[in-house]
Amino acid sequence: AQTVTQSQPEMSVQEAETVTLSCTYDTSESNYYLFWYKQPPSRQMILVIRQEAYKQQNATENRFSVNFQKAAKSFSLKISDSQLGDTAMYFCAFTRLNNAGNMLTFGGGTRLMVKP
Amino acid sequence: DAEITQSPRHKITETGRQVTLACHQTWNHNNMFWYRQDLGHGLRLIHYSYGVHDTNKGEVSDGYSVSRSNTEDLPLTLESAASSQTSVYFCASSELDWPDTQYFGPGTRLTVL
Repeated sequence: AQTVTQSQPEMSVQEAETVTLSCTYDTSESNYYLFWYKQPPSRQMILVIRQEAYKQQNATENRFSVNFQKAAKSFSLKISDSQLGDTAMYFCAFTRLNNAGNMLTFGGGTRLMVKP
Repeated sequence: DAEITQSPRHKITETGRQVTLACHQTWNHNNMFWYRQDLGHGLRLIHYSYGVHDTNKGEVSDGYSVSRSNTEDLPLTLESAASSQTSVYFCASSELDWPDTQYFGPGTRLTVL
């Protein structure tokens, strides 16, 4: 079974600064995907970024980037130039590849507060 | 635009009653999922479906059932609601081809008194 751990229940950052959210996972699989989802107060789950395990290059989406360390089973999210709208719960998630669809395993979440 | 909707958005019910939460997606996705979210936990998988007439149990399936009679809908039924099932429920969908991103509905807040 896969497990995903987010060790930081809450974090805060000043507007325009950079913050890194941590995520570790445990799996015996070699092929899998990792995701970061954002959940603002509206409760909607929004995909932020995803990383394919077979790719060595770290994924980047505008101000969001990841540091994927496969050997260490670590998948941290860096948010640059933090904005007030980044305030939300952030969930790290894992899916292994199988022959029919995909199932997500989520971490417990990190609550990020961006302060003006 | 294609979307995924859930209804109702809020529901209060009593212990022992049967409750059905609706999920409808217009992407024509084959895969659909139900999760519950509780304080201090991430989302946990309840049931999932890879296509019409296909259903599978997830991590926390006890007390829940689903049926898939068409591509668009995956209703979640609580056969006899319990207070422990008070939670926020999310439906999600993804395409057949993997790996793929799951798209989530807005959630249903269920309170069992």
